[in-house]
Amino acid sequence: DARVTQTPRHKVTEMGQEVTMRCQPILGHNTVFWYRQTMMQGLELLAYFRNRAPLDDSGMPKDRFSAEMPDATLATLKIQPSEPRDSAVYFCASGLVQGGAYNEQFFGPGTRLTVL
Amino acid sequence: AQKVTQAQTEISVVEKEDVTLDCVYETRDTTYYLFWYKQPPSGELVFLIRRNSFDEQNEISGRYSWNFQKSTSSFNFTITASQVVDSAVYFCALSEAGGSEKLVFGKGTKLTVNP
Repeated sequence: DARVTQTPRHKVTEMGQEVTMRCQPILGHNTVFWYRQTMMQGLELLAYFRNRAPLDDSGMPKDRFSAEMPDATLATLKIQPSEPRDSAVYFCASGLVQGGAYNEQFFGPGTRLTVL
Repeated sequence: AQKVTQAQTEISVVEKEDVTLDCVYETRDTTYYLFWYKQPPSGELVFLIRRNSFDEQNEISGRYSWNFQKSTSSFNFTITASQVVDSAVYFCALSEAGGSEKLVFGKGTKLTVNP
């Protein structure tokens, strides 16, 4: 049963600390997304990659957030320094785009981040 | 710009009632995909359905049905004979052509089904 996995599931940290969230996409998927969910803004896209190359990171605060795919099996989202307003649930999703064929996005369980 | 509006913030029904969740979208693309996701209290996002812009046929899956109308830019979701387990937040979403492109979500509708 292929699933997107995310670690950690929960993270509590203090303002100013670095936070790294990890995602393992479904094997064979070539597109990886990072979404953030807050009460005020709802679900919003932060960034996404295709074949490990960033396609769109316009939703991400550039001064403190960074997203990378060191290899095809790992995507990371880093916040440095973290702030209380970053408290949210961060979802990773993966999908496949190949020769025009469609594949829906599968979401991971999310990382619930609390910045004190 | 793409936009999804779910005007109903919260809905409360009694078990066995039918309930319809509304979704209105905006896009300039002629090819696009529409989705519904369910987020139960446990927090995960569960895919329910996708529909491409060329297929306006209604779809039924058990107690769930979806009504897609391009003329009104709506993609409404109906649960027939609701059950307590249907209690969740339901999100409508839109993506550009290709499917595995970024999703634009509505704000969600929280459905509570009371026994």
